[in-house]
Order: sequence, then C-alpha cells, then structure tokens
Amino acid sequence: SQQGEEDPQALSIQEGENATMNCSYKTSINNLQWYRQNSGRGLVHLILIRSNEREKHSGRLRVTLDTSKKSSSLLITASRAADTASYFCATDGGGTALIFGKGTTLSVSS
Amino acid sequence: ETGVTQTPRHLVMGMTNKKSLKCEQHLGHNAMYWYKQSAKKPLELMFVYNFKEQTENNSVPSRFSPECPNSSHLFLHLHTLQPEDSALYLCASSQKLGETQYFGPGTRLLVL
Repeated sequence: SQQGEEDPQALSIQEGENATMNCSYKTSINNLQWYRQNSGRGLVHLILIRSNEREKHSGRLRVTLDTSKKSSSLLITASRAADTASYFCATDGGGTALIFGKGTTLSVSS
Repeated sequence: ETGVTQTPRHLVMGMTNKKSLKCEQHLGHNAMYWYKQSAKKPLELMFVYNFKEQTENNSVPSRFSPECPNSSHLFLHLHTLQPEDSALYLCASSQKLGETQYFGPGTRLLVL
C-alpha cells in the first residue's frame, strides 16, 4: 500500500533557484525520510526527520514536518545541475518497512 | 558506494529461463529488502527479511522466490517470468525495520 505522495510530480528550474517538494502521508509515523535517485541507479538517503521534530537541515537541504497535517516538505536551496534527479519521501508507518511515494522528478538547467 | 552490492547489474532472460539476482551488504544490518521499480510506477516493496526471517511478502507472484541464507546475503530467484516483469530490481538493507535504508545499484532486468 502506498503511504507517501509527492507533489509536484515534476519540477523544472534554473540553476541558483530554490526547489520545493512536498509529501503527504496517511497514517501515523515514527519518522519520515527523503531519498534521491539518479536515473537508473539506486536510491540514496538524504535526510531523516523524526515525528517529534519540526525542521531539520543538512547542507543545502531543509526538511520540515507537520504531523498534524501529515505532510513534509523538502527544500533544496541554490540548486545546481547536479541536483537533477528524482526525489522520494518514505514513511515507516510505525516500525515496519519503509513505504515510498511516487517521487518528484527535478530538472535543473544551467 | 553504499555498502550494498548487487549482481548482475544487467540481465536479459527468456520467459523459460531460470536466473537469480544476488544482493550482499557489508554494513552489519539486520533487515534486507527487495523492491521492483518499473517505468512510471511507484517503487514496489516485494519482500522484507528481518534477522533472516521473511516478514513481508506483498502479494508477489510465485515466479519470484526470495532466499536469505544469512543477514548479509539476499537472493531473488526468477523462473518463467513475463515481459511485464522487466524492471529495475533494487535491494536495500537497514539496521532495523523503518530506519534508514541503504540501496544497491540495482539489476536492470529485461524479459523477452
């Protein structure tokens, strides 16, 4: 069963701009994670935010979590062409295996 | 390099063939997973193993048969596959269920 839904499905921006992706989920969680996937490759973990946290930073990444709205956002600041990839949110649904959303495809042009 | 390796990286097989995908993790993790990723579809969780025991089988057809001989190795045995089984098969591992997962590079499978 699918837990997370990313929005938008696709995003095209210019280098230097910020990119914001949103994720909504359905059931209670212990944590929410964001992953990145370059075309045809495995997923790479970016950041994990626990249910009792509201915001977390890692380099140019900022993740927020609103458990009352069951939503999260990933902000990539000062985007680079190398940020072009698909981004997925994943939720644990309470200690089970992660369930991934459909992903947002980000294209950053120079 | 995530510490999770998958072989082969590419596989072409006929519908009557039998082949196996291999996944190995060098991270000392206790949970391992198989995912299927088809074009324009969400990542599909297939199987979950925790401490070598299968804990989830998400209605996967019996032509896919997983095997987990120890916590470091995971296999996916394939037989009489269909063309619609062509996809990227990803293996992942984590220290515990629900925690950060580390993915292998995937096996690109084409069924003719």
